[in-house]
Amino acid sequence: GAGVSQTPSNKVTEKGKYVELRCDPISGHTALYWYRQSLGQGPEFLIYFQGTGAADDSGLPNDRFFAVRPEGSVSTLKIQRTERGDSAVYLCASSLGLGTDTQYFGPGTRLTVL
Amino acid sequence: DAKTTQPPSMDCAEGRAANLPCNHSTISGNEYVYWYRQIHSQGPQYIIHGLKNNETNEMASLIITEDRKSSTLILPHATLRDTAVYYCIVRVAGGAGSYQLTFGKGTKLSVIP
Repeated sequence: GAGVSQTPSNKVTEKGKYVELRCDPISGHTALYWYRQSLGQGPEFLIYFQGTGAADDSGLPNDRFFAVRPEGSVSTLKIQRTERGDSAVYLCASSLGLGTDTQYFGPGTRLTVL
Repeated sequence: DAKTTQPPSMDCAEGRAANLPCNHSTISGNEYVYWYRQIHSQGPQYIIHGLKNNETNEMASLIITEDRKSSTLILPHATLRDTAVYYCIVRVAGGAGSYQLTFGKGTKLSVIP
């Protein structure tokens, strides 16, 4: 079956611009997670959703970052007034439920802020 | 902070077993040990997880010491496609803040022809 998909695969933007990154989870998965991975580092947690609600957004670095999941399926990560330090690979994962359910990752979106 | 310690890199000859160690000396009784790997330019891939018993699946075996302070991931017959960064992660089963995965820097495994 189809795995987690993310679009675009690459995004180049200029400092100060607004970007949206999209995640399509595995069908039927109720939990969705966003992570960010800088070069040479492991992924870092940003936010996760159970259904439509953000259950934990403690990993978002500041208020320029926001994520939504209005219908409990597709999620969009939104970054306002991008900065060069936002350049990273943004990873999305989904799981059937919470707890110890396995998280399945998408291929990521590579964001470059010039 | 990551709760695990892994060597930064390892080499393994193709066809031989790859044994990747992980120390998690502060693990709690309700924390699982998870292993993921990340092949270059791809998202992390789940391999296996366990609580206290040894586990085996089609990809690998997980050996957890009796005191649970360390574990070893075993790839029985490494191939070139197993070259990746391997992450050992401890994760609480349930409770607030427990659902995300906390990655360290992992072990870069290079399988040599």
